[in-house]
Amino acid sequence: EDQVTQSPEALRLQEGESSSLNCSYTVSGLRGLFWYRQDPGKGPEFLFTLYSAGEEKEKERLKATLTKKESFLHITAPKPEDSATYLCAVQGLSGGSYIPTFGRGTSLIVHP
Amino acid sequence: DTGVSQNPRHKITKRGQNVTFRCDPISEHNRLYWYRQTLGQGPEFLTYFQNEAQLEKSRLLSDRFSAERPKGSFSTLEIQRTEQGDSAMYLCASSLATTGANVLTFGAGSRLTVL
Repeated sequence: EDQVTQSPEALRLQEGESSSLNCSYTVSGLRGLFWYRQDPGKGPEFLFTLYSAGEEKEKERLKATLTKKESFLHITAPKPEDSATYLCAVQGLSGGSYIPTFGRGTSLIVHP
Repeated sequence: DTGVSQNPRHKITKRGQNVTFRCDPISEHNRLYWYRQTLGQGPEFLTYFQNEAQLEKSRLLSDRFSAERPKGSFSTLEIQRTEQGDSAMYLCASSLATTGANVLTFGAGSRLTVL
């Protein structure tokens, strides 16, 4: 069974204070690891897909990296508009399933 | 394309009543997923379809829950004899069927409150 653990559960930063969010995962073969952003009262919005260890992807102030056991979402010089819950999900290869399994998320608040 | 559409956005019902949610996916997407999310938790898988076929259901899914996707287009999720524990956000997502990792596009969700 695929498992995802995210830490910390909540993170408060000052504007411009860089930090990283962690996603530890267990899968029997990785089809893909996803990062989503979710604003209050809305559905998750796709950010990145990572496929193999060593891969990195960037979008504005966000950079996602992947190892064989975990992924990091690095936030550089965050702004208040980056405040949201960040969700990590994995899709494994077992049984031909195409069902992403989500973690609980990290709630990020960036203070001006 | 306007994305994934879910209706109603909010539903308040009394315990024991039946409720139905509708999801209209992105038109060219042939996979459709239902997830449930409670406060402070990540989305929890309920069921998914490829075209009109329901391919998988969560083992945790009560038999009070049923989903359909007639003709492989929109989908409905019905909850019979609602309980207070059913209060949650019900999220629908769609994707293209690929052999690789498939990116889900989510709707805004349908929030259910059971009194």
